[in-house]
Amino acid sequence: EAGVTQFPSHSVIEKGQTVTLRCDPISGHDNLYWYRRVMGKEIKFLLHFVKESKQDESGMPNNRFLAERTGGTYSTLKVQPAELEDSGVYFCASSQDLSGTSLNTGELFFGEGSRLTVL
Amino acid sequence: KQEVTQIPAALSVPEGENLVLNCSFTDSAIYNLQWFRQDPGKGLTSLLLIQSSQREQTSGRLNASLDKSSGRSTLYIAASQPGDSATYLCAVFPNDYKLSFGAGTTVTVRA
Repeated sequence: EAGVTQFPSHSVIEKGQTVTLRCDPISGHDNLYWYRRVMGKEIKFLLHFVKESKQDESGMPNNRFLAERTGGTYSTLKVQPAELEDSGVYFCASSQDLSGTSLNTGELFFGEGSRLTVL
Repeated sequence: KQEVTQIPAALSVPEGENLVLNCSFTDSAIYNLQWFRQDPGKGLTSLLLIQSSQREQTSGRLNASLDKSSGRSTLYIAASQPGDSATYLCAVFPNDYKLSFGAGTTVTVRA
């Protein structure tokens, strides 16, 4: 079974340009998360989708960031216009429905991350 | 606000020695706690997950304990090998589902 996949693995853009990151979660996982690690800092929560709905986007830095999850499958994270401080690694993770059943531990599975460099 | 601290920040040991990595968190109202491994330039690999009702989990040479009341978790790696060199991250999953990460412990196992 395929894990969480992210594209691109690395993107280098100039300040003011637009970048779109994509995440394909594990098939059947309703929960999809975006996290970010900027240089020297801990990994921080950005937002959480349950299927196609945004459950929590309190971690989004500002309105230059837009996340979507059309049809409850893959998700995109667009940064427009990109600024220097947006550089970092953007991780996507997915998990099964957090229904609290004995079979569901809520374990998160992460992708390899998309490294964004803004020059 | 949940704060997760990992000590030490870096650790270097000779091959064969046991590793002890510490994680502490400020809010004990958690859903579960997950330990990850990250190799340079790679993603996060889940090592062990401990649910809030559990006290420990074991997988091969790895053992993780959880003491919710004191806000601590410890990851033990027995008989370390050079292939264990990586950054180990502790992440706490509170009831609001926003995983909180520690800064990690970077481990170097010398051959």
